[in-house]
Amino acid sequence: NSKVIQTPRYLVKGQGQKAKMRCIPEKGHPVVFWYQQNKNNEFKFLINFQNQEVLQQIDMTEKRFSAECPSNSPCSLEIQSSEAGDSALYLCASRSGGAGEQYFGPGTRLTVL
Amino acid sequence: QEKVQQSPESLIVPEGAMSSLNCTFSNSASQSIWWYQQHPGKGPEALISIFSNGNKKEGRLTVYLNRASLHVSLHIRDSQPSDSAVYLCAVSFYQGGRALIFGTGTTVSVSP
Repeated sequence: NSKVIQTPRYLVKGQGQKAKMRCIPEKGHPVVFWYQQNKNNEFKFLINFQNQEVLQQIDMTEKRFSAECPSNSPCSLEIQSSEAGDSALYLCASRSGGAGEQYFGPGTRLTVL
Repeated sequence: QEKVQQSPESLIVPEGAMSSLNCTFSNSASQSIWWYQQHPGKGPEALISIFSNGNKKEGRLTVYLNRASLHVSLHIRDSQPSDSAVYLCAVSFYQGGRALIFGTGTTVSVSP
């Protein structure tokens, strides 16, 4: 069973507001991923880290989204100015080194009114 | 842009029957192909992965990969009501730390 912890489980924001969610990866997993899953089950990779360094991020993430994985603190994903289209389930996953399985948390469900 | 497509969108099978799910991907240079299971209100959970052409069996699950036809299938033998979930096919690539590209899933309902 996955031990990835995500908080909060639910987040409701108005348009233009900041939305911040956190993730504690499994112990010993240096690689962390953030994905967005919309109501049509479409997944979008947002960003990933190895230790504290960004490995890859998509254009969307570079504009309104910011993320970090500081040492000895939870990873976080923040949307600076929420839009209705950002309403989705935000999933955090972690992996050990190599090509192994990604372990997912239960997600943060963001609703932007 | 790599694409992963799954079929069928939904599947209803009687308890004890075989569930068969299909997935096609667009890039033969993909690393591994993963099958994840997702229950309502939970994150995806990995079931099985395959890298090499051929088949791989784990318990009630068998997966077949044909890289030439860009096709992978998952078969669940002796389906149980607890197998009712969304099944997601995901492909990883070496670049970018092996982020996964997911299909939109097959919803499986196993009727008692």
